[in-house]
Amino acid sequence: DTAVSQTPKYLVTQMGNDKSIKCEQNLGHDTMYWYKQDSKKFLKIMFSYNNKELIINETVPNRFSPKSPDKAHLNLHINSLELGDSAVYFCASSHLRGLAGGGADTQYFGPGTRLTVL
Amino acid sequence: TQLLEQSPQFLSIQEGENLTVYCNSSSVFSSLQWYRQEPGEGPVLLVTVVTGGEVKKLKRLTFQFGDARKDSSLHITAAQPGDTGLYLCAGATAGGTSYGKLTFGQGTILTVHP
Repeated sequence: DTAVSQTPKYLVTQMGNDKSIKCEQNLGHDTMYWYKQDSKKFLKIMFSYNNKELIINETVPNRFSPKSPDKAHLNLHINSLELGDSAVYFCASSHLRGLAGGGADTQYFGPGTRLTVL
Repeated sequence: TQLLEQSPQFLSIQEGENLTVYCNSSSVFSSLQWYRQEPGEGPVLLVTVVTGGEVKKLKRLTFQFGDARKDSSLHITAAQPGDTGLYLCAGATAGGTSYGKLTFGQGTILTVHP
């Protein structure tokens, strides 16, 4: 029944390690996103994929690499983890809407992955 | 870079009081959304406003989009403890490489005491 799911829910790791977070949506949406929410609750877009193609790539270190094997999945791989990467990472999905719809459809967020880098 | 200034950052009130959260920008957005996030969960959409001057009501919540589509407000009447949570405004841009991109405000943490 879960619309957007992420694994793992919690991730604790050492600096310098490589880790992945997985995301899956069963809503039939064509667009998926990764967001980072910092300790002050500020939510910032990192990447967006539409039909497996990258359409939004914000200023994110190239240690972060998203991969979309199909429309229902968007994974996030992080190399050489740093202390500053500690945050909650949210996956989301939506349909892209045309200009008539104001350019934004409802984004459905996953429950988040709390990453702690020690 | 588009920015959304959301205020206040923190709001602690008693049950039954009214409150307003503001979201302001110097940029024009094609639409503006309000989300609510509870601890340990992802944000959930409350409303989308698209037309300048638009007002939408959701029970005790009233959302307004500014005439110039640069600002928005959320007003809650007779707040209840169940309204406690993090409220986020998000502006959307349409067209070009920013298609579908949401720019979020800093959020307002609302606590309603019984």
